[in-house]
Amino acid sequence: QSALTQPASVSGSPGQSITISCTGTSSDVGSYNLVSWYQQHPGKAPKLMIYEGSKRPSGVSNRFSGSKSGNTASLTISGLQAEDEADYYCCSYAGSNSVVFGGGTKLTVL
Amino acid sequence: QVTLRESGPALVKPTQTLTLTCTFSGFSLSTSGMCVSWVRQPPGKALEWLALIDWDDDKYYSTSLKTRLTISKDTSKNQVVLTMTNMDPVDTATYYCARMRYYYDSSGYHPFDYWGQGTLVTVSS
Repeated sequence: QSALTQPASVSGSPGQSITISCTGTSSDVGSYNLVSWYQQHPGKAPKLMIYEGSKRPSGVSNRFSGSKSGNTASLTISGLQAEDEADYYCCSYAGSNSVVFGGGTKLTVL
Repeated sequence: QVTLRESGPALVKPTQTLTLTCTFSGFSLSTSGMCVSWVRQPPGKALEWLALIDWDDDKYYSTSLKTRLTISKDTSKNQVVLTMTNMDPVDTATYYCARMRYYYDSSGYHPFDYWGQGTLVTVSS
């Protein structure tokens, strides 16, 4: 169960779009459409933003979108807003009844 | 609405056993497909999945911590309990419980849709 690989940090200006990658293996991201993304503000619990790779829970802005290609999943945030500044984590079902998270990406809105 | 709340000691000594309780409402762990997981986060570090228990009382653990963890449920009390033995300072973290579901078509557990607020556990003598 090695952690999924995410960039440590990304940044963008208000109104811009950014993409956070999440690279796994053929045993996790590549094998299942069970990738999720979480937003975490300092001192708060994570919040589900994307599930099943590209679906948004009710109440999540449509500025957030997810996709997957091979062993890499991606989260795109369009129209960046100051409130989007947070840590983002990807997560995948990894088979054998296990789950693996990414190392997290700090998003800075310039 | 769905809520989860973690409870347990804020401070434990090295080598002691940690017992955490997750009390939830808004769903039942006797409902097919429902699951509860534990996730931890050391200060300034990433999330780490620890264990899950499902409606059928199946229990699964992180490979790296399997020998130290035990998860159980009390469906009548809407509670899930996690015990972790032989605590070490590196286990200092915020511990979260979160709801998951079992996806029959994909044969997998996903996602963490509701989370508790977390409880910080410090391991120190």
